[in-house]
Amino acid sequence: EPEVTQTPSHQVTQMGQEVILRCVPISNHLYFYWYRQILGQKVEFLVSFYNNEISEKSEIFDDQFSVERPDGSNFTLKIRSTKLEDSAMYFCASSDQFFGPGTRLTVL
Amino acid sequence: LAKTTQPISMDSYEGQEVNITCSHNNIATNDYITWYQQFPSQGPRFIIQGYKTKVTNEVASLFIPADRKSSTLSLPRVSLSDTAVYYCLVGERMNQGGKLIFGQGTELSVKP
Repeated sequence: EPEVTQTPSHQVTQMGQEVILRCVPISNHLYFYWYRQILGQKVEFLVSFYNNEISEKSEIFDDQFSVERPDGSNFTLKIRSTKLEDSAMYFCASSDQFFGPGTRLTVL
Repeated sequence: LAKTTQPISMDSYEGQEVNITCSHNNIATNDYITWYQQFPSQGPRFIIQGYKTKVTNEVASLFIPADRKSSTLSLPRVSLSDTAVYYCLVGERMNQGGKLIFGQGTELSVKP
């Protein structure tokens, strides 16, 4: 079965630092997504990406967030200046069926 | 997007059949019903999707009555490894580019 991979599995950073979360989606898929899940809360949509541009984003996805697919393989989520409340599991999804294992981001 | 309501938690024992019901009174004509499973610290995993009547795959069955205002996910003969959170979602058919809106889900606990 095809799978989505994400790196790193854990990321610890200081408040105000930039982080880049990486995902390798399934190669022949067209739609890619980022979701996040704060501990004990529900999975929340952040952004969807199609044809090398954002197709939809949520209110959470403010100017501090950006996504790109620089080389046709990796799909990245960048948080420019992390806040304490950005601490969460971040899941990449390839189409709406295949989720990655997640990156646990801890902002100190 | 149609709102869904499902029990917060359920308990079961190994070998039993588990039925989790979800209500979605405001489901739209074009909406599909999709169920996901999530283990702790893992991403959601697609289980099954249906539009009406009954859908079955190797993992589960999905029963949808004619009015489509509810649906029931049926897990046959659960094992300890089926302990997880199960989410009922209503929205676009798979692979149409739509976002997924998750609720709180049903936390299923399977006991020996």
